[in-house]
Amino acid sequence: DAKTTQPPSMDCAEGRAANLPCNHSTISGNEYVYWYRQIHSQGPQYIIHGLKNNETNEMASLIITEDRKSSTLILPHATLRDTAVYYCIVRENRDDKIIFGKGTRLHILP
Amino acid sequence: EAGVVQSPRYKIIEKKQPVAFWCNPISGHNTLYWYRQNLGQGPELLIRYENEEAVDDSQLPKDRFSAERLKGVDSTLKIQPAELGDSAVYLCASSTRRGAAGNIQYFGAGTRLSVL
Repeated sequence: DAKTTQPPSMDCAEGRAANLPCNHSTISGNEYVYWYRQIHSQGPQYIIHGLKNNETNEMASLIITEDRKSSTLILPHATLRDTAVYYCIVRENRDDKIIFGKGTRLHILP
Repeated sequence: EAGVVQSPRYKIIEKKQPVAFWCNPISGHNTLYWYRQNLGQGPELLIRYENEEAVDDSQLPKDRFSAERLKGVDSTLKIQPAELGDSAVYLCASSTRRGAAGNIQYFGAGTRLSVL
């Protein structure tokens, strides 16, 4: 079973920041938080991952709370192409298996 | 750099027929994965290869599913005979498992199978 809880769907206006929450209250010290997204008719795409510190790359920012029990993925300026299902995943870096939940379906509104 | 390539993109067959899916991973990626994704669900792992060796096939229904990865590069997933419940998207992924980016999996676009 997935170790994370995400809202099933969210809306965000185009050009605004999209903030996607994820709860992972049972995360252990060795486990990272990974985010993938899946655009319609495509395979999942890696976005970002982190352990304790906040992370930023060209796609998004990842904010992890100090107790590591929750995190937020931030898409700073959402576009229509960001419409997708976003998966929050908790796993150890040595794990080979990704256990996907149902994710959050993000709709970007024009 | 080319990504993970899968073919065909779509396949429609009648139940009890055989079907095969093909995957070409990213060059240099020694780990290859097959996932199945049912409608409205996240992908679920079927089998993982390290080079030519299947190291995790615990979720593969072995009575009708088989897979191979000859020479440790391309892989084929086969279903024989197909059942109605096998309708799903079959995804292939690969990773290097080396370095800081070693545990990031890169996915192909998938093969959408419809069994009638």
